Amino acid sequence: QVQLVQSGAEVKKPGASVKVSCKASGYTFSNYAIHWVRQAPGQRLEWMGWINGGNGNTKYSQKFQGRVTITRDTSASTAYMELSSLRSEDMALYYCVRGYCLSTTCFFGDDPWGQGTLVTVSS
Amino acid sequence: NFMLTQPHSVSESPGKTVTISCTGSSGSIGSNFVQWYQQRPGSAPTTVIYENNHRPSGVPDRFSGSIDRSSNSASLTISGLKTEDEADYYCQSYDTSNHVVFGGGTQLTVL
Repeated sequence: QVQLVQSGAEVKKPGASVKVSCKASGYTFSNYAIHWVRQAPGQRLEWMGWINGGNGNTKYSQKFQGRVTITRDTSASTAYMELSSLRSEDMALYYCVRGYCLSTTCFFGDDPWGQGTLVTVSS
Repeated sequence: NFMLTQPHSVSESPGKTVTISCTGSSGSIGSNFVQWYQQRPGSAPTTVIYENNHRPSGVPDRFSGSIDRSSNSASLTISGLKTEDEADYYCQSYDTSNHVVFGGGTQLTVL
């Protein structure tokens, strides 16, 4: 079955970077996109960006532009989300979600979510 | 900036029907697909409606989605409410640049 398994919880200091991985299985990785969504405690879901698993094209939320980098390793069927210059407000659960692409844009559909990765930012 | 507005909370009794609205701040909510996600406490979200009104396999037909272009809103309707439906529900769509937008979430209480 289609599954997305994320890396484990991280604890980082303010100003550091964090890199979260999302390993896909049960489907052809390059035929789909991966979105990244985060959720701070008690807050709404917040989209960060996506990567086209096939051609590697990316699109980022304006809020995170310049601080987030999404990459993928097709040989490992894994997507990565790196967030830099961490601050306390970045403490959240980070989710990867499979999506699909049409032309130059990727969307959400009937797709699974990863289990989430907790990122704690504390000095 | 395009925003999606949902009621903060709704409550209804078991067996009844509840509708959760999702109103777009501008433009036409019908010009892009709307998805709905269910999130139980301590769990990752799961899709209950995709592309306005389609149910993933395994989601009961008690869940349905619709679009009302006259009010620029989408709705999630859950009929025959069960206590297991108690969760947070989020709508999601896209702005004119195809950036993803989520609603603020609605807490459904089944009492």
